[in-house]
Amino acid sequence: EIVMTQSPATLSVSPGERATLSCRASQSVSSNLAWYQQKPGQAPRLLIYGASTRATGIPARFSGSGSGTEFTLTISSLQSEDFAVYYCQQYNNWPPPMYTFGQGTKLEIK
Amino acid sequence: QVQLQESGPGLVKPSQTLSLTCTVSGGSISSGGYYWSWIRQHPGKGLEWIGYIYYSGSTYYNPSLKSRVTISVDTSKNQFSLKLSSVTAADTAVYYCARAQISELGTAMASDYWGQGTLVTVSS
Repeated sequence: EIVMTQSPATLSVSPGERATLSCRASQSVSSNLAWYQQKPGQAPRLLIYGASTRATGIPARFSGSGSGTEFTLTISSLQSEDFAVYYCQQYNNWPPPMYTFGQGTKLEIK
Repeated sequence: QVQLQESGPGLVKPSQTLSLTCTVSGGSISSGGYYWSWIRQHPGKGLEWIGYIYYSGSTYYNPSLKSRVTISVDTSKNQFSLKLSSVTAADTAVYYCARAQISELGTAMASDYWGQGTLVTVSS
């Protein structure tokens, strides 16, 4: 099983500032990496897939980078609605599929 | 706009079988091009992939749950379902259904549409 490790567990950032979240895979997942945003009481929302491609309707302030085992989600200028929990997910493990998520990074207002 | 909606009992007794259904609207399951999945989230915890099904009935399960999981599809109702047997308190979670696109290689990609989730509590 590929283990996904996110850091930090909690990130405190002021609105308008940049946030950088990290995700590390225990073995290479190529670019088969997605980022999701989850707000309390809501389902996860797909932000990024293919490590760097924004999903439909996702603002340009969200960007993803990396390949192999090291990935980054950057939010260039934090808006109030961006404070949430962010998860990375690998979908490289195939066949058979064994998709795994990171434990999440909580982005909170500083 | 594709929408997914989970339904089923919110309370299940230990040792019994958890049964949930996901109804898809705004698109046809049998049109192909997607895997339909179940994912769960234990209270206050992260996400755990349970399994996928294709409209043809092909399934893939998380090895850690495989012995207890069955996912099925009913294309006539545009629904797919989850059964998890022999449940314990450790199966208490919010259960989500979701859709994943299929890559050119036939592998599942990220999940782009999710249901709102349904909390299932295992308790006597």
